[in-house]
Amino acid sequence: EAGVVQSPRYKIIEKKQPVAFWCNPISGHNTLYWYLQNLGQGPELLIRYENEEAVDDSQLPKDRFSAERLKGVDSTLKIQPAELGDSAVYLCASSLRVGRVPDYNEQFFGPGTRLTVL
Amino acid sequence: AQKITQTQPGMFVQEKEAVTLDCTYDTSDPSYGLFWYKQPSSGEMIFLIYQGSYDQQNATEGRYSLNFQKARKSANLVISASQLGDSAMYFCAMREFTGYSTLTFGKGTMLLVSP
Repeated sequence: EAGVVQSPRYKIIEKKQPVAFWCNPISGHNTLYWYLQNLGQGPELLIRYENEEAVDDSQLPKDRFSAERLKGVDSTLKIQPAELGDSAVYLCASSLRVGRVPDYNEQFFGPGTRLTVL
Repeated sequence: AQKITQTQPGMFVQEKEAVTLDCTYDTSDPSYGLFWYKQPSSGEMIFLIYQGSYDQQNATEGRYSLNFQKARKSANLVISASQLGDSAMYFCAMREFTGYSTLTFGKGTMLLVSP
């Protein structure tokens, strides 16, 4: 079974340029997460999707960041325009949530996209 | 307030020895889960072990065990018989189940295993 796929793995851009990251979750997983991981830190949630609905985007800087998951499968995270401080690893994860009762549901992570803004 | 605290930025251990990675957490939710992830240099987060707040016994998964002390709010990861491939960053994380929160991660501990 294929894991979470992310592309590109590495991206170098100049500040003020736009950039987009793509994520394809594990087949059948209805929940998709985008995390930001700064150097020396743990991942921090940017946005969580349940199917195609963004149910938690409170940590997404909406002035420059946007995300979509149009068909409830793969997802794109965009930054426009990028700033120097956006240099980080962007991780995508997916999980299968069954029912409405909160419960343990393992998140499977992709390899991440390492963004460098010059 | 930081919900997950990992006080060890780095740990060294010799191959075949056991090592304990510390994690303390803060929550008022009676229902929560604690997770440990491994992140090798390749960048992918690999799930290792899970402990639920209502679990009576400490979780174990092969060479990994979780020393869960609920009253002290600690969830230390014990790796027995360390291997060179265990060298990586290790993250402790928590989910509060009331209201379906997402994972909150600590800052991680870098483990280096020497021959």
